[in-house]
Amino acid sequence: DSGVTQTPKHLITATGQRVTLRCSPRSGDLSVYWYQQSLDQGLQFLIQYYNGEERAKGNILERFSAQQFPDLHSELNLSSLELGDSALYFCASSVATSGTHNEQFFGPGTRLTVL
Amino acid sequence: TQLLEQSPQFLSIQEGENLTVYCNSSSVFSSLQWYRQEPGEGPVLLVTVVTGGEVKKLKRLTFQFGDARKDSSLHITAAQPGDTGLYLCAGIMDSNYQLIWGAGTKLIIKP
Repeated sequence: DSGVTQTPKHLITATGQRVTLRCSPRSGDLSVYWYQQSLDQGLQFLIQYYNGEERAKGNILERFSAQQFPDLHSELNLSSLELGDSALYFCASSVATSGTHNEQFFGPGTRLTVL
Repeated sequence: TQLLEQSPQFLSIQEGENLTVYCNSSSVFSSLQWYRQEPGEGPVLLVTVVTGGEVKKLKRLTFQFGDARKDSSLHITAAQPGDTGLYLCAGIMDSNYQLIWGAGTKLIIKP
């Protein structure tokens, strides 16, 4: 158990809909990262927050947005969903935002299926 | 193009064989991490290597960081079915401390 929690574990929805994925980082971690992983693919970095502020952006679509709240949990909002958005979405947390180590601890993921 | 190239992309071998997975780049990294991901689960950190030439061992797994800190390898001795998974390397760039991910090596160990 990494200490990172994600809800829900599974989500099935229809095209055009909007969903919210939730992540709680490990106790003491200030950074939260969101990743997308399609079937048999590597991790695609979406976005990073550090202590409530956006710190880095990856290949995140304009239909997607995220935020980190004062209690450090984070939400990833996906709107106008398309079939191609079906994937595993992972949240990870780390103590810092940068530095030599910056080891990340991953949650169990949310499997999103868009029908 | 990937900043971190992993090879091979896919490897299927018999139990008991040895194997090596590579993670290469033209960029210098201040450190490099190796993760293992099992199907349907999140990646789990295996090791972090920091010093050029550093070798770390984790039971039957041996990790090495290149002298120039541009590449790394993971060697598994006497592979077992429990080693099956996606192996990902991730490097922290020397220039900006950004974490860069490789595409992964999918490893299957057949009993």
